[in-house]
Amino acid sequence: NAGVMQNPRHLVRRRGQEARLRCSPMKGHSHVYWYRQLPEEGLKFMVYLQKENIIDESGMPKERFSAEFPKEGPSILRIQQVVRGDSAAYFCASSPVQGGNSPLHFGNGTRLTVT
Amino acid sequence: QKEVEQNSGPLSVPEGAIASLNCTYSDRVSQSFFWYRQYSGKSPELIMSIYSNGDKEDGRFTAQLNKASQYVSLLIRDSQPSDSATYLCAVEEYNQGGKLIFGQGTELSVKP
Repeated sequence: NAGVMQNPRHLVRRRGQEARLRCSPMKGHSHVYWYRQLPEEGLKFMVYLQKENIIDESGMPKERFSAEFPKEGPSILRIQQVVRGDSAAYFCASSPVQGGNSPLHFGNGTRLTVT
Repeated sequence: QKEVEQNSGPLSVPEGAIASLNCTYSDRVSQSFFWYRQYSGKSPELIMSIYSNGDKEDGRFTAQLNKASQYVSLLIRDSQPSDSATYLCAVEEYNQGGKLIFGQGTELSVKP
């Protein structure tokens, strides 16, 4: 029973390039959450998606960041024109329902380094 | 602004001792609370969830919740060097399942 799968594990991008981070939820889970952990900081909520819908993007930076969870395939977190301040660990979690005492289990994360 | 506060540590305890980790939160209507363990360079791993006032035990771990005081704690009995990690307290925003507010984490060091 595979857990939440994220890839790539490590991603290096030069300033101005695009970064695409992928997240495949656990089987049967239709709710996906993205969190970011900046160096020496705590985890911060970014966005909550269900299949084909963005439910809550209150934690997403207003520019350059976008997320999707298509009907088929993984959820994608996309960062355009990356800057050094985007260097962080990005974690994805999934759940079968929203809330309902269903704790989040995180994937292994993608560590983005912007040079 | 909803906040979750933890002592950053490091908290150092000898092997075999009890480690006590504390967390306070600002939103009094919060209902769901979690402790995650994070080893350096790894992802957060859920170790305990608690939803009702009182104690909840799972092996060497005990979570304690006091909603009136807006306080949640984690006790680790018989601490082992392998318990050395950062422990993250997380509080679910009320009626916003999956949207967690994390504390900064407490670094625990268990000395052999």
